[in-house]
Amino acid sequence: GQQLNQSPQSMFIQEGEDVSMNCTSSSIFNTWLWYKQDPGEGPVLLIALYKAGELTSNGRLTAQFGITRKDSFLNISASIPSDVGIYFCAGRRNAGNNRKLIWGLGTSLAVNP
Amino acid sequence: GAVVSQHPSWVICKSGTSVKIECRSLDFQATTMFWYRQFPKQSLMLMATSNEGSKATYEQGVEKDKFLINHASLTLSTLTVTSAHPEDSSFYICSAAKGDRRYNEQFFGPGTRLTVL
Repeated sequence: GQQLNQSPQSMFIQEGEDVSMNCTSSSIFNTWLWYKQDPGEGPVLLIALYKAGELTSNGRLTAQFGITRKDSFLNISASIPSDVGIYFCAGRRNAGNNRKLIWGLGTSLAVNP
Repeated sequence: GAVVSQHPSWVICKSGTSVKIECRSLDFQATTMFWYRQFPKQSLMLMATSNEGSKATYEQGVEKDKFLINHASLTLSTLTVTSAHPEDSSFYICSAAKGDRRYNEQFFGPGTRLTVL
């Protein structure tokens, strides 16, 4: 099935550093979502974006819905060890009955204390 | 809140047996539930979408007779892996959507680790 292009695939940073990751698509999406998954757990929704150009924050996390509707980025400021995990972007084309999400391949984040 | 539970969290079974996994939305009614499969270090792969009271919609390549889905109520969906084989070993995750037309995001359960011997 279709997947989003998510980059980078993995990151290894020092505690306190800022992190940026992004997702791109060849087609337009009406919703962009960012999830975090810890090992052996289900994904947890971090930020949901519904409007082109929208910039939304959740604590140290900030995400933006690209104005072309074909991309989104997630920034994490001042990283801490508990930020470790896999971050997934997901997109949805419409808000109708077909609520299926298209997923990125994930960005694995490691933080060195 | 939007809490989704799964049971069991892990299961080990012999080849040829059937395994049932439950997914429950604990504090909301879910019009739609989704079942995913995830292999190590890979993304989530949607298996099927299930709406309460109707047949599940399976993704291409997913055998509906192999993976039986029952969405009996607005808070419970079950996935039964029939005649399980070692290649069915995987991490199975469900999600539930609240039903609001516009803001209808999926909330995930903690997953079930299935190991078939």
